[in-house]
Amino acid sequence: GDSVTQMEGPVTLSEEAFLTINCTYTATGYPSLFWYVQYPGEGLQLLLKATKADDKGSNKGFEATYRKETTSFHLEKGSVQVSDSAVYFCALRDFTSSGGSYIPTFGRGTSLIVHP
Amino acid sequence: EAGVTQFPSHSVIEKGQTVTLRCDPISGHDNLYWYRRVMGKEIKFLLHFVKESKQDESGMPNNRFLAERTGGTYSTLKVQPAELEDSGVYFCASSPMMSGYYEQYFGPGTRLTVT
Repeated sequence: GDSVTQMEGPVTLSEEAFLTINCTYTATGYPSLFWYVQYPGEGLQLLLKATKADDKGSNKGFEATYRKETTSFHLEKGSVQVSDSAVYFCALRDFTSSGGSYIPTFGRGTSLIVHP
Repeated sequence: EAGVTQFPSHSVIEKGQTVTLRCDPISGHDNLYWYRRVMGKEIKFLLHFVKESKQDESGMPNNRFLAERTGGTYSTLKVQPAELEDSGVYFCASSPMMSGYYEQYFGPGTRLTVT
């Protein structure tokens, strides 16, 4: 079945540091890939997505590139801020010849803590 | 536009007790989903309503869990009797349509602790 593996956290960085959160996946079909973010006290929000190989999703300074050859979708940001402190979830939705799934498969989440 | 709301935000109960979680989806969203995240693990799908009907309940862990969505508006998820392994964060999400892909909008979750 489908699965998503994320690096374990917490990831602790100083403000303006470079961020990478690794995500790899296994899927039987042709997945779309997503990063969700959960800020303290809020619901999960879609941060960015990519629907096919070599697509780059980007939002709020975050980027992730869909790498089919390495089955990866690593999240990066060049300069993190304290306000980026949150839990980040990598996810996929799979599409096969018989149709697509509306239920995402999530990773375990990675907590990011950014210090001033 | 109000987002998905969930009540309560936290609940602490003893093993064997009953707890009811509530989710109010975004107005007009026919699709409502329940998910659960056990401590440090993946967010797992529990079930999906289309209006008041259960479309998919393949993720419900056992018959101690009962979900309802009377009238196709808000939904409740009852756990009776609660066990220690039921502890976790229960998320609700809603989306407007079934065909094609429409983003699911998530609520803040209810953190359930069973002692």
